[in-house]
Amino acid sequence: NAGVTQTPKFRVLKTGQSMTLLCAQDMNHEYMYWYRQDPGMGLRLIHYSVGEGTTAKGEVPDGYNVSRLKKQNFLLGLESAAPSQTSVYFCASSYNVGVRLYGYTFGSGTRLTVV
Amino acid sequence: EDKVVQSPLSLVVHEGDTVTLNCSYEVTNFRSLLWYKQEKKAPTFLFMLTSSGIEKKSGRLSSILDNKELFSILNITATQTGDSAVYLCAVDRRAGGTSYGKLTFGQGTILTVHP
Repeated sequence: NAGVTQTPKFRVLKTGQSMTLLCAQDMNHEYMYWYRQDPGMGLRLIHYSVGEGTTAKGEVPDGYNVSRLKKQNFLLGLESAAPSQTSVYFCASSYNVGVRLYGYTFGSGTRLTVV
Repeated sequence: EDKVVQSPLSLVVHEGDTVTLNCSYEVTNFRSLLWYKQEKKAPTFLFMLTSSGIEKKSGRLSSILDNKELFSILNITATQTGDSAVYLCAVDRRAGGTSYGKLTFGQGTILTVHP
């Protein structure tokens, strides 16, 4: 049981390049999330999805796009990378029953450097 | 604007000491507060607190929520070097009759335990 898997684990981009981060979960969770973590700022929500084919903006969505074509996958895209997007990116998934969250699980992270 | 503040930001102790980490929050439609431990990779779940005054325990770790004064504490007794990590507090909001798991994180507390 792999849980939440992120690829790649490390990447260096030049300013203006594009890339896609892949998140895959095998727990049949309905909800998926992308966070970024910067020093001294905890984790901040970029985008999230409450089901296949749906996405919504989080706290810091600018410069990112997402897609959830299949329930188990959540893709994060950077169309034109900027140095301010240098960060560690975490994907997570969960499900809920009513207002109660369950199984909130994080992937191991992707360290992205934009030069 | 929702806010989660952790204190102290960093803490250095010796093995055997007891530590108390604090998390205060200002969040509309509060649903639950979660504690995570992060050791250089994915945050791992410690506790979820939804009811005020009820202590949750797991080995040497315990946590309690006060949703009148809007804070939570995480206690670690008889600390060990393996407790060295970043401890993250996050708050989940209720959205109507459900929860989408859009967590707001604090900055984290860096705990260092020396032998």
